[in-house]
Amino acid sequence: GDSVTQMEGPVTLSEEAFLTINCTYTATGYPSLFWYVQYPGEGLQLLLKATKADDKGSNKGFEATYRKETTSFHLEKGSVQVSDSAVYFCALGKETSGSRLTFGEGTQLTVNP
Amino acid sequence: GAGVSQSPSNKVTEKGKDVELRCDPISGHTALYWYRQSLGQGLEFLIYFQGNSAPDKSGLPSDRFSAERTGGSVSTLTIQRTQQEDSAVYLCASSFFSGGYNEQFFGPGTRLTVL
Repeated sequence: GDSVTQMEGPVTLSEEAFLTINCTYTATGYPSLFWYVQYPGEGLQLLLKATKADDKGSNKGFEATYRKETTSFHLEKGSVQVSDSAVYFCALGKETSGSRLTFGEGTQLTVNP
Repeated sequence: GAGVSQSPSNKVTEKGKDVELRCDPISGHTALYWYRQSLGQGLEFLIYFQGNSAPDKSGLPSDRFSAERTGGSVSTLTIQRTQQEDSAVYLCASSFFSGGYNEQFFGPGTRLTVL
């Protein structure tokens, strides 16, 4: 079945550091890829998405490119802030599965001032 | 406008009791999803509805779990004879429809603790 694998966490960075959270997937067909974020005490929110190969999703300074050849969707940000501290989830969805989401394990990011 | 709401926000129950969890989706959203977030299993899909029909129930972990949706709106997830391994946060999400790449909007979740 479909699956998503994220880099193991937690990740701790200093403010203004560069962030990469790795995500790879296994899926049949043509999945869409997503990054969701869960801030402390809040619900899951969509951060960005990409619906086909080579698409780049971006939002709030975060970016991820859908790489079909490496089955990856790594999340990057050039300069993190304390307010980016949260849990980040990579996920995939397919129309043929009613767009149900398959999530990775989640990566806890802590940014220190 | 109002987002997805879930009730109760917290539920503590004793092993063997039945529980009902409620989800109110965003008005006009025809697709509704239930997920479970637990320490051991991460975030896992349970069931989804398109309108009042449930085309995919494959994520329900056992026949103790059931869900229904009425009027294309409110959904209830029922867990019978709860077990300690059912302890988790149950998340509901809705989207405009289940086809295409419609964003799923998540509710705050119901934290279930089975003693």
